[in-house]
Amino acid sequence: EIVLTQSPATLSLSPGERATLSCGASQSVSSSYLAWYQQKPGLAPRLLIYDASSRATGIPDRFSGSGSGTDFTLTISRLEPEDFAVYYCQQYGSSPQGTFGQGTRLEIK
Amino acid sequence: EVQLVQSGAEVKKPGESLKISCKGSGYSFTSYWIGWVRQMPGKGLEWMGIIYPGDSDTRYSPSFQGQVTISADKSISTAYLQWSSLKASDTAMYYCVRPQSYGYWNTYWYFDLWGRGTLVTVSS
Repeated sequence: EIVLTQSPATLSLSPGERATLSCGASQSVSSSYLAWYQQKPGLAPRLLIYDASSRATGIPDRFSGSGSGTDFTLTISRLEPEDFAVYYCQQYGSSPQGTFGQGTRLEIK
Repeated sequence: EVQLVQSGAEVKKPGESLKISCKGSGYSFTSYWIGWVRQMPGKGLEWMGIIYPGDSDTRYSPSFQGQVTISADKSISTAYLQWSSLKASDTAMYYCVRPQSYGYWNTYWYFDLWGRGTLVTVSS
């Protein structure tokens, strides 16, 4: 089973700054089958990125994903106030599909 | 509107059984896998399992195999998650989820459609 490790656990930044969130896999993720989600308090998660770098419908272009193999990155180019939330990565290329990382909390500095 | 509507919050005692539901609407229910994700209080997301309502093929995460049962009634476009004997550690929010792509052979399970969640509290 692939284990996903996200870093850092908490990231403190100010609006307007660039955010870089990492997701490391214990084994290579097949065909870059990795997704990123955003979750705000009291709400269900929202899909941001799939296939490592494809933005989901309606997601602003300040969100971008990159990476392959065992190292993946979610970048938010210029933080807006509404971007402060918890972010999760998920792999879906290897059984059991659907495993999530433990999350990165992006908080306002 | 394409949506997943989940049943309401539940408060149960240890040892009791429970079945929660998720009704899909606005899309072909039998053409998409539909799954469940657990979120314990203050914790991260855990994928539990998934079912294809078209033929009831069901896959479980090893962590949840034998602990829960996932089923679906395609006649009413509803998926279920059930426990035969709840434990306090089952206290969590449970989300119903649907992958972006349709079809039985499409097992690339990233989820673009989420229900609002069902909060299950198990306490004596």
